[in-house]
Amino acid sequence: GQNIDQPTEMTATEGAIVQINCTYQTSGFNGLFWYQQHAGEAPTFLSYNVLDGLEEKGRFSSFLSRSKGYSYLLLKELQMKDSASYLCAVKRQTGANNLFFGTGTRLTVIP
Amino acid sequence: DVKVTQSSRYLVKRTGEKVFLECVQDMDHENMFWYRQDPGLGLRLIYFSYDVKMKEKGDIPEGYSVSREKKERFSLILESASTNQTSMYLCASQIGTHSGNTIYFGEGSWLTVV
Repeated sequence: GQNIDQPTEMTATEGAIVQINCTYQTSGFNGLFWYQQHAGEAPTFLSYNVLDGLEEKGRFSSFLSRSKGYSYLLLKELQMKDSASYLCAVKRQTGANNLFFGTGTRLTVIP
Repeated sequence: DVKVTQSSRYLVKRTGEKVFLECVQDMDHENMFWYRQDPGLGLRLIYFSYDVKMKEKGDIPEGYSVSREKKERFSLILESASTNQTSMYLCASQIGTHSGNTIYFGEGSWLTVV
C-alpha cells in the first residue's frame, strides 16, 4: 500500500520560519517532490530530493530521510505570498514520473 | 517557459453526457498525465502516457479513458459523466524519464456534473 501524511493546516507569522513535515509509505521510491499551489491555480514545482540530506534553494529548503520515510519543507523569512497549499509527492517507479501525492498542507501567513 | 494549456477552465455537464477535456503542451514532452483534485483527497492520478498512442492506468482510471494521437495533445474522456466526477482536473507534462525532471501542470479544468 501507499500513504502520505501531512498536516492539514498550519499558521505562521510573516518573517518567521515554518517547517512542513511529510511522512510516506510507498511501494517503490524514486524521489520526493514538493509543490506549491495557490488557491485556484496549478501546482508549481518547488524542490526534488532523491538522496538523504538537505537541499537549499533560496528561502526554501527540503530535507529527506529515506530510512525514516520522512521529509520536510522549510520556509524562511515568510512572506504573505507564501500563503498556499504545499503538496508532498513521491515518485513511485522509474520511467515516467508516476507521482503519488499527499493531500497537502494549507499554510496561512499572518501579519 | 513551458506551457500546458487546458482547453476549458469551467464546464457544466449533465449526467450521462460524454465529456472531453483537452490538454496541449508546447515543449515536446514525452510524458503527459491527468490528475483530479478533490478536497481532503489531494491529487489522484487517473491516466498517464509516455508516448504517442501509449497509455497507462493510474490509481483511479474507472469511468475515464484517454487518447494520445499526437505528442503534444492528451485528452481525457468521460464516456458517461456522473455526479461523482465533479472535480478539478489537472493535466501535466514532463520531459523524458529522468527521475528529477519536474512535472508541469496546466491551470486546471473545473467540471461540474449535474
